Amino acid sequence: RKEVEQDPGPFNVPEGATVAFNCTYSNSASQSFFWYRQDCRKEPKLLMSVYSSGNEDGRFTAQLNRASQYISLLIRDSKLSDSATYLCVVNEGGSTLGRLYFGRGTQLTVWP
Amino acid sequence: NAGVTQTPKFRVLKTGQSMTLLCAQDMNHEYMYWYRQDPGMGLRLIHYSVGEGTTAKGEVPDGYNVSRLKKQNFLLGLESAAPSQTSVYFCASRIQGASQRAFFGQGTRLTVV
Repeated sequence: RKEVEQDPGPFNVPEGATVAFNCTYSNSASQSFFWYRQDCRKEPKLLMSVYSSGNEDGRFTAQLNRASQYISLLIRDSKLSDSATYLCVVNEGGSTLGRLYFGRGTQLTVWP
Repeated sequence: NAGVTQTPKFRVLKTGQSMTLLCAQDMNHEYMYWYRQDPGMGLRLIHYSVGEGTTAKGEVPDGYNVSRLKKQNFLLGLESAAPSQTSVYFCASRIQGASQRAFFGQGTRLTVV
């Protein structure tokens, strides 16, 4: 069983659409959570951290539900430039402190 | 400001050969990681280190060894390369602390024939 599970998609949406990605994690001792973005054949880059109270950065909103061990990312008003793979990332605590686990990624294509 | 630098960027190995991938960071980060990425599999953690002189196993450690003799460097070794180790390898580093983001190198594309 993988530590972090994501719906791989692909998601194909028109410009202007709203799209949501989900992620679940297995270790209840996980300490922090992130969404990364990866463009084809490039290294992953931080999109945003995910806070318990939920947080927003422009068109992007991240939510965390610790009780359900569930993370989400909402993208509003999609742009062509949003086409990429979105990676859910979990930073573990407890006995595996320091481990950083990635989901398999959700592929998004935004079409004109 | 170099950030995280991986060497080499590309390599072709024959089955059974050995090699070492070097990851260097100039940000004084405590934590360093090695991942491999294969199509449809996402990034899988091979080994990681929470400080100089320490290493720990990740999800897929078999066939790999690592060393962290200096804080700024994290080496990934393949003692006897196999075709199953054909992959893109990413190194990452971050500051100690739960909320700290990771910075990635540009990746090493390794092909084992």
